[in-house]
Amino acid sequence: EVRLVESGGGLVQPGGSLRLSCAASGFTFSSYWMSWVRQAPGKGLEWVANIKQDGSESFYVDSVKGRFTISKDNAKNSLYLQMSNLRAEDTAVYYCARVILGAVWWLDPWGQGTPVTVSS
Amino acid sequence: DIQITQAPSSLSASVGDRVTITCRASQSIGSYLNWYQQKPGKAPNLLISAASSLQSGVPSRFSGSGSGTGFTLTISSLQPEDSSTYFCQQTYSIPYTFGQGTNLEIK
Repeated sequence: EVRLVESGGGLVQPGGSLRLSCAASGFTFSSYWMSWVRQAPGKGLEWVANIKQDGSESFYVDSVKGRFTISKDNAKNSLYLQMSNLRAEDTAVYYCARVILGAVWWLDPWGQGTPVTVSS
Repeated sequence: DIQITQAPSSLSASVGDRVTITCRASQSIGSYLNWYQQKPGKAPNLLISAASSLQSGVPSRFSGSGSGTGFTLTISSLQPEDSSTYFCQQTYSIPYTFGQGTNLEIK
């Protein structure tokens, strides 16, 4: 069974840092692009970042560029999101998801999410 | 950035009704459009990829159509378990934007 389990969320003060983790199982993690998507309370979904299979390329939404870093450790079957200089508007549930490449690409499956609250 | 306009933002329909949700892209995105279903407190779940490809395990009452700038998710005969929020997402260009979501309620 393909499974993604996020962890590392919590309460952090504005300007602080947090590292999210996503443990993958049930598939060959090193063969897949991976993604982070977030959802602010009561709001819609926002794509945050993608990373290539070997970690050599990554892409970000403008609002997190220079503050967030996506990485993956294929030996540990783990995806990470290092978040720094956090702002109130970063408050959200953060989901990791596997990228499936076909004629187009999509996200499947998603983890259960880990909540991040940025507040003093 | 490609803007995705999803409509309606909410709707209420009865069991057995045919329901249609639309997403319109601000520029042509080919078939780079996916649909997800999200139940309260849960992660999104992929329903349809590449505008019209139904995912394995998804009931056949769900269907997707469209290309270019206009896309539609149709539920042919609404069931109680279809009460959810539905999102579309374009994966044509960065940032890979989502529609605002449609909250579907069963009357």
